[in-house]
Amino acid sequence: DAGVTQSPTHLIKTRGQQVTLRCSPKSGHDTVSWYQQALGQGPQFIFQYYEEEERQRGNFPDRFSGHQFPNYSSELNVNALLLGDSALYLCASEWGRGPITDTQYFGPGTRLTVL
Amino acid sequence: AQKVTQAQTEISVVEKEDVTLDCVYETRDTTYYLFWYKQPPSGELVFLIRRNSFDEQNEISGRYSWNFQKSTSSFNFTITASQVVDSAVYFCALSEAGTTGANSKLTFGKGITLSVRP
Repeated sequence: DAGVTQSPTHLIKTRGQQVTLRCSPKSGHDTVSWYQQALGQGPQFIFQYYEEEERQRGNFPDRFSGHQFPNYSSELNVNALLLGDSALYLCASEWGRGPITDTQYFGPGTRLTVL
Repeated sequence: AQKVTQAQTEISVVEKEDVTLDCVYETRDTTYYLFWYKQPPSGELVFLIRRNSFDEQNEISGRYSWNFQKSTSSFNFTITASQVVDSAVYFCALSEAGTTGANSKLTFGKGITLSVRP
C-alpha cells in the first residue's frame, strides 16, 4: 500500500521564478492538504483540496495556488518566489467522505531553496 | 482561534530514561482532535496518535503513553525507557472536525527536539 508521495525531493530556484510541487495521496484517500514548514518551526497550513476544489485556505498570499486532479493527486504552485518561501513543503492526505474524521498522513516533503 | 503550545524546545536524556513531552492547546470548539507526530531527520511526519475531544482515556502503545486532560487542556506524551532511535522532533497538533468528515486544518506547535544519548 503506497503512502503519500511527493516530487521532486529537492528544488533550487531563484527569486521571481515560479515552482510547481506534486503530491500523490495515499491509496484510498481523496483529500489533500499542503503545509509549509520553515526551518525550526512547525508546519503551517496552506490549503486543502477536496473534490477538485479548494475547501479551506490558511493565511498565505495568492502567489500560492493549487489544483487537484480527478485521480485526487494535487499540485502546489508558487509564483514570484521570495527568499522567505524557502521551506519544506509537506503534503498530507486523508479520506474525507466518511462520517468519521480520519487521520492525515504526510508525505516526505519537497525541500525548496530560493536563492 | 486554535493554538498549540509546546513550551519545551529541546530535551536531552540518556538512553533508558523516561521523558515526557508537554502539549497545551486552545480551542473554542467542543469537537476537536489532537495528534502527535514524530519528525525524524529525514523530514517525513510520522503519525503517532489521534485523540478526539470526547475520549479522555489515557492510551498506552508499547513504550509510548499519552495523557489527555480536558480540564487543563493538555495532551502530554511520555516515552518510557527511551532509545536512541527516539531522537527526533515531536509535534503536537490540533484540528477541528470538518464538515465533510475530513479534518479542517491542522494547527501545529513549534515542536520539541528530543535527543537520546547512548
